[in-house]
Amino acid sequence: DVKVTQSSRYLVKRTGEKVFLECVQDMDHENMFWYRQDPGLGLRLIYFSYDVKMKEKGDIPEGYSVSREKKERFSLILESASTNQTSMYLCASSVEGLESDTQYFGPGTRLTVL
Amino acid sequence: GQQLNQSPQSMFIQEGEDVSMNCTSSSIFNTWLWYKQDPGEGPVLLIALYKAGELTSNGRLTAQFGITRKDSFLNISASIPSDVGIYFCAGHNDYKLSFGAGTTVTVRA
Repeated sequence: DVKVTQSSRYLVKRTGEKVFLECVQDMDHENMFWYRQDPGLGLRLIYFSYDVKMKEKGDIPEGYSVSREKKERFSLILESASTNQTSMYLCASSVEGLESDTQYFGPGTRLTVL
Repeated sequence: GQQLNQSPQSMFIQEGEDVSMNCTSSSIFNTWLWYKQDPGEGPVLLIALYKAGELTSNGRLTAQFGITRKDSFLNISASIPSDVGIYFCAGHNDYKLSFGAGTTVTVRA
């Protein structure tokens, strides 16, 4: 079974803090993704990575950065958290190639920025 | 990103009812997928569709990939209480998924 784990289920931070969200997958997947989920908007892609040290901007990268130093780990960084970044953050992974459409999701981190 | 319009936004079901939801897009997709999210969990893949016109079933779930490749629908037959949750459609192109806003399914009291 594919397992995608996220470091925290709930997180509360203050405006201006630097925030790290960690994601680890155990299936040797090449691709990893970060989404945010907001009511009425579905899931929106922030960043994705198709290899170690590689990253690509998604649809809403502003205010975020990412790091992928090891294949199994993909970190999302909020350099200076703002209240409009309060959201549910979901990490996902997939293999490359023909089956790359099947993404496996972690349980999510609900981040509140005060 | 590519815009997917999913409807309805929400629905109430009574046990035993058939329910239906659909998704349309202005863009063509190579693959359509349907995910379900239970409260407090990440989305889980229900069905993936790979060919225009394809009709695929998974237990009580049936989904179709539209002929134009711009739409898909999902049917749930004989609904049961554990069908509650949020259902998302997603289209796949270029290693990325674009998601609809979701359909929230709730049991009618």
